[in-house]
Amino acid sequence: AQTVTQSQPEMSVQEAETVTLSCTYDTSESDYYLFWYKQPPSRQMILVIRQEAYKQQNATENRFSVNFQKAAKSFSLKISDSQLGDAAMYFCAYRGYKLVFGAGTILRVKS
Amino acid sequence: GAGVSQSPSNKVTEKGKDVELRCDPISGHTALYWYRQRLGQGLEFLIYFQGNSAPDKSGLPSDRFSAERTGESVSTLTIQRTQQEDSAVYLCASSRTPGGETEPQHFGDGTRLSIL
Repeated sequence: AQTVTQSQPEMSVQEAETVTLSCTYDTSESDYYLFWYKQPPSRQMILVIRQEAYKQQNATENRFSVNFQKAAKSFSLKISDSQLGDAAMYFCAYRGYKLVFGAGTILRVKS
Repeated sequence: GAGVSQSPSNKVTEKGKDVELRCDPISGHTALYWYRQRLGQGLEFLIYFQGNSAPDKSGLPSDRFSAERTGESVSTLTIQRTQQEDSAVYLCASSRTPGGETEPQHFGDGTRLSIL
């Protein structure tokens, strides 16, 4: 079975600084997708960034980028120039035909 | 709107009562998923629909939980004889096609269920 592990229950970052959220996963499949979702207090799950496992190039979306290490089964999220609006719970997720989520990392942004 | 809609947004009920949660997926999305999120925890998969059938019900925690989908559209999640451990946010998601596709799952805002 697939598992997703986020080892950081909580992280803090100073506004305008850079923070990296860790995620590791376990799977025997070769073709899959990885996602980072953001969940603010409003509860809505917002897709931040996604990575296709067959692509070696790391995905980037504006201030958000990933470091995808397929052999190590690692998928970390880097947030550059952190903003107050980035404060939320962040979930790493693996997708075969259903999503498997990590436990989440609370990100606090200090002004 | 164009997103996944869930109702009610909040539900408070007494232990032992039955509750019904509703999900309206994005029009044209054939795959629909229910998840549960307990306070401060990650999402637990409950059930997956492809069209009106549910090929994977493996996440339903007990026989008190059931779900159906009609018209390849609306889905209802029913919890009978609710228990306090059922208190959680129930999230629904839909996607155009299931598994391994480029189309991600789109989530609703969830229903916060509180059992007194």
